[in-house]
Amino acid sequence: AQSVSQHNHHVILSEAASLELGCNYSYGGTVNLFWYVQYPGQHLQLLLKYFSGDPLVKGIKGFEAEFIKSKFSFNLRKPSVQWSDTAEYFCAVKVFSGGYNKLIFGAGTRLAVHP
Amino acid sequence: EAGVAQSPRYKIIEKRQSVAFWCNPISGHATLYWYQQILGQGPKLLIQFQNNGVVDDSQLPKDRFSAERLKGVDSTLKIQPAKLEDSAVYLCASSPSFLQETQYFGPGTRLLVL
Repeated sequence: AQSVSQHNHHVILSEAASLELGCNYSYGGTVNLFWYVQYPGQHLQLLLKYFSGDPLVKGIKGFEAEFIKSKFSFNLRKPSVQWSDTAEYFCAVKVFSGGYNKLIFGAGTRLAVHP
Repeated sequence: EAGVAQSPRYKIIEKRQSVAFWCNPISGHATLYWYQQILGQGPKLLIQFQNNGVVDDSQLPKDRFSAERLKGVDSTLKIQPAKLEDSAVYLCASSPSFLQETQYFGPGTRLLVL
């Protein structure tokens, strides 16, 4: 069955530290990959997405993610985090199954950034 | 552009009671999704509509959950009777079309079943 695994459930960083959140998926077909973010008290919103082409994708607020097909991974990175990046981050994979597209989410990673 | 609207934002009920959630997608979005997000987990798709037709309801517990989107615009999700394990956030999302990659999420309804 298709699944998405996020390795870290909780991450605590100081401001200006670098961030990398792991995401691995299990699906053998063509995938579209997403990172969604949920800031405290707000709804889920798209951070970045990969469909095809350059495997290094840049999103909003200085985030980027790299698709490594051989590793079935789509890790999220940011060189220098800010207190405002405190949020929950979800990796998601869109798969084609049963004649329709389906978005499968990982369990999420809670990031806390301390000033 | 107005986002996806959901109501109520919070609901507390006792087990075996019924509850209904409402969603109004972004204007013009043909595809509507209901997700269940249990604490500590990612959202799980319950049902997907394309206009007023069901595309995927394979993970909807049909013995107690039902959903409709009669006019192809807003939608309701109902639970009857509720169980303790139904405590979760119920998220509604929409996208312009079935093939559109990005889904836009509403604020969710937080349900607590006592």
